[in-house]
Amino acid sequence: AQSVAQPEDQVNVAEGNPLTVKCTYSVSGNPYLFWYVQYPNRGLQFLLKYITGDNLVKGSYGFEAEFNKSQTSFHLKKPSALVSDSALYFCAVRDVRASGTYKYIFGTGTRLKVLA
Amino acid sequence: SAVISQKPSRDICQRGTSLTIQCQVDSQVTMMFWYRQQPGQSLTLIATANQGSEATYESGFVIDKFPISRPNLTFSTLTVSNMSPEDSSIYLCSAGGVGTSSNTGELFFGEGSRLTVL
Repeated sequence: AQSVAQPEDQVNVAEGNPLTVKCTYSVSGNPYLFWYVQYPNRGLQFLLKYITGDNLVKGSYGFEAEFNKSQTSFHLKKPSALVSDSALYFCAVRDVRASGTYKYIFGTGTRLKVLA
Repeated sequence: SAVISQKPSRDICQRGTSLTIQCQVDSQVTMMFWYRQQPGQSLTLIATANQGSEATYESGFVIDKFPISRPNLTFSTLTVSNMSPEDSSIYLCSAGGVGTSSNTGELFFGEGSRLTVL
């Protein structure tokens, strides 16, 4: 079965500095990887995905992620953090059941805190 | 993309009662899922809502406790039956496979339904 791991419960970064939120994956076959953000009392919002192609994926709100097959990682990055980026971030992977249907598995989440 | 409406957004329920959460998508989707989330924590998949057939439940979740309906490609309900305080949580509806993106598409989420069981 596929899985993702987010090794950091919380990441603190100063406003204007680059940020990285880490995610590693364990999959068989080609991974379908996603990043989501959740603001307080809200549902999850899609940021970006990697399916195939360029290893650097660009997404919403200036975020990007780098797919690294050798390190089995899919870290989320942003060149310059904003206080408004403070939220809970989830990495996710699409898994395929024996029946051929899909399900999506989420990491434990990383709380990003951007300090003014 | 897809816009997902969930209701109720929150409710306070008495032990032993049941509550049905509705999820409406503004376009046809191939996949609909129900997740549970404790505030600030990860998501746990309850089941996949299958259109026109029984839902597919994950380990630890059963149909008698969490009956799910999906009568068409835009609507699903989740019922939390015979509630206990342990069922207090946020329940999230999600959908994927909008239009032709059924094989590679991301999921879209509703705002969640926050249940408190007394």
